[in-house]
Amino acid sequence: QPVLTQPPSSSASPGESARLTCTLPSDINVGSYNIYWYQQKPGSPPRYLLYYYSDSDKGQGSGVPSRFSGSKDASANTGILLISGLQSEDEADYYCMIWPSNVVVFGGGTKLTVL
Amino acid sequence: QVQLVQSGAEVKKPGASVKVSCKASGYTFTSYGISWVRQAPGQGLEWMGWISAYNGNTNYAQKLQGRVTMTTDTSTSTAYMELRSLRSDDTAVYYCARVGILDAFDIWGQGTMVTVSS
Repeated sequence: QPVLTQPPSSSASPGESARLTCTLPSDINVGSYNIYWYQQKPGSPPRYLLYYYSDSDKGQGSGVPSRFSGSKDASANTGILLISGLQSEDEADYYCMIWPSNVVVFGGGTKLTVL
Repeated sequence: QVQLVQSGAEVKKPGASVKVSCKASGYTFTSYGISWVRQAPGQGLEWMGWISAYNGNTNYAQKLQGRVTMTTDTSTSTAYMELRSLRSDDTAVYYCARVGILDAFDIWGQGTMVTVSS
């Protein structure tokens, strides 16, 4: 079972940008998979934000603002969620997910604090 | 609107079974799959498995093989997840999620709390 590594916590101020990372194990090439991102607030189910494969193959969840965007850093084998123009309502847990070989794997989640 | 509505909270004793339901509405049930995801208190998300609402094909997480069964009833647009031989570490909120276009979990149920305690 592969493991996706996310930093446990991150923080940024309102109006700034937050860059959340999701590192894949070395035997799974980030370039080969869609990276999905979810947001979860306390007491609520997760909310689908977006998926990213490449700049020409990506998609936004219904109603998700364009200030949420995805990318990849192939050199670090990492998927990235960028949140620009941070708002207090963005304070939440964020999870990445992939589907390698018909098995779904979630990252451990990053708690984003908006200072 | 598109939604998934799950059954209510359950309290079970160790060794018992639980069956959680997930009723879909607002879309063609058989055109999508359903995944089940659980979240232990204060922990992250754990994928449990997936079922095709079209043909009933399933794929379960290796960790739960032999203890979990996922089914659907297309006449009522409802998916079910049964977990047997419950242990205390099965205590969690259980979510169903629609597997949408491009395999995103795009719609989630509200969650069902399952508590396993003697």
